[in-house]
Amino acid sequence: EDKVVQSPLSLVVHEGDTVTLNCSYEVTNFRSLLWYKQEKKAPTFLFMLTSSGIEKKSGRLSSILDKKELFSILNITATQTGDSAVYLCAANFGNEKLTFGTGTRLTIIP
Amino acid sequence: NAGVTQTPKFRILKIGQSMTLQCAQDMNHNYMYWYRQDPGMGLKLIYYSVGAGITDKGEVPNGYNVSRSTTEDFPLRLELAAPSQTSVYFCASSPRGRNNQPQHFGDGTRLSIL
Repeated sequence: EDKVVQSPLSLVVHEGDTVTLNCSYEVTNFRSLLWYKQEKKAPTFLFMLTSSGIEKKSGRLSSILDKKELFSILNITATQTGDSAVYLCAANFGNEKLTFGTGTRLTIIP
Repeated sequence: NAGVTQTPKFRILKIGQSMTLQCAQDMNHNYMYWYRQDPGMGLKLIYYSVGAGITDKGEVPNGYNVSRSTTEDFPLRLELAAPSQTSVYFCASSPRGRNNQPQHFGDGTRLSIL
């Protein structure tokens, strides 16, 4: 069964800390791994990773994929209160379908 | 710059009632999806469509129906609402193509069945 597992389920840190969110997957016909940020409403797209070892960066956020070990991490440096959200990881297994993990709820304390 | 538009935003139904959740996108995307998200959980795929006239079941299709008569619209129908269908429903779309493309989500419909 195609499965995506995220850890930790929740995380509380102080503003300015660096956090690492984990996503592992067991997906047949793997094509890509995607990270989304979900605040109160719609998930918003952060990164899509298809190749191992190539880091994607956007400001203080970065992500990398390891296709041999079947996992990805999302790093956020110098966290701000606006980073508080649920971070969703999803794997694409063909025909553009996505399998989502349960998410990591990140809370940044001022 | 509408993107994916879902209506209504909120709805309360009685057990056994029916309703249609509307979803429209103006990005000319061929692929459209319906997900449900229960509290503390990820998104579960209900139905998806790869183009007008084509629909397919996802992970949790029971109790739902869809149609795709145009590229823009992908309504989700609940025929006999049950308490287990209380959830937040998200519609999403993505472009056609062999290259991976991220899905774009609507703001969701919060549905309560009482």
